[in-house]
Amino acid sequence: GAGVSQTPSNKVTEKGKYVELRCDPISGHTALYWYRQSLGQGPEFLIYFQGTGAADDSGLPNDRFFAVRPEGSVSTLKIQRTERGDSAVYLCASSLDGGTHNEQFFGPGTRLTVL
Amino acid sequence: DQQVKQNSPSLSVQEGRISILNCDYTNSMFDYFLWYKKYPAEGPTFLISISSIKDKNEDGRFTVFLNKSAKHLSLHIVPSQPGDSAVYFCAASALSGANNLFFGTGTRLTVIP
Repeated sequence: GAGVSQTPSNKVTEKGKYVELRCDPISGHTALYWYRQSLGQGPEFLIYFQGTGAADDSGLPNDRFFAVRPEGSVSTLKIQRTERGDSAVYLCASSLDGGTHNEQFFGPGTRLTVL
Repeated sequence: DQQVKQNSPSLSVQEGRISILNCDYTNSMFDYFLWYKKYPAEGPTFLISISSIKDKNEDGRFTVFLNKSAKHLSLHIVPSQPGDSAVYFCAASALSGANNLFFGTGTRLTVIP
């Protein structure tokens, strides 16, 4: 049974570059979440999709961050003009639907390093 | 502002003994609490949860206790096993809010054989 997958597992980039991080949720899960985990911290919420639409993007730190989910399945988190402070593990999670208290299943994360 | 706090970054326990991991929260709107376990290079995996209408939930060796008046919850693992060694995150959500989870900073549990 396939869980949530994320690619790449590691991404090293230079300051100022553009990066895309991909998330494949569990098949049939309509809700998808992105979190960011900095060193020594817990995951912090970035954005939540219900189907194709971003139901809550209040966690995105600034307008350099953007995420899409055009067909309601795979999602891409896009970061423009990367900064060293963007270095973190980016976690994706999915749940059966957006109902409160539905278990969120996490992927292994993408470790982003901005040099 | 950290709304969910885990004040112990690490904990070491002998195999067979009880592990107690603590968590405090500040937002009174939180009504659902979860514990996640994380191994290196893996995403967090759900362990156990509790609704605010309960004060205890048990699943095998794992029990979560909730004290709403103190805004405190704890995870008890009895008996502790070496395979329990991992980072444990406390998380909370609010029924009336978004569906995102608010996480604590984690406690690294080491169970010594």
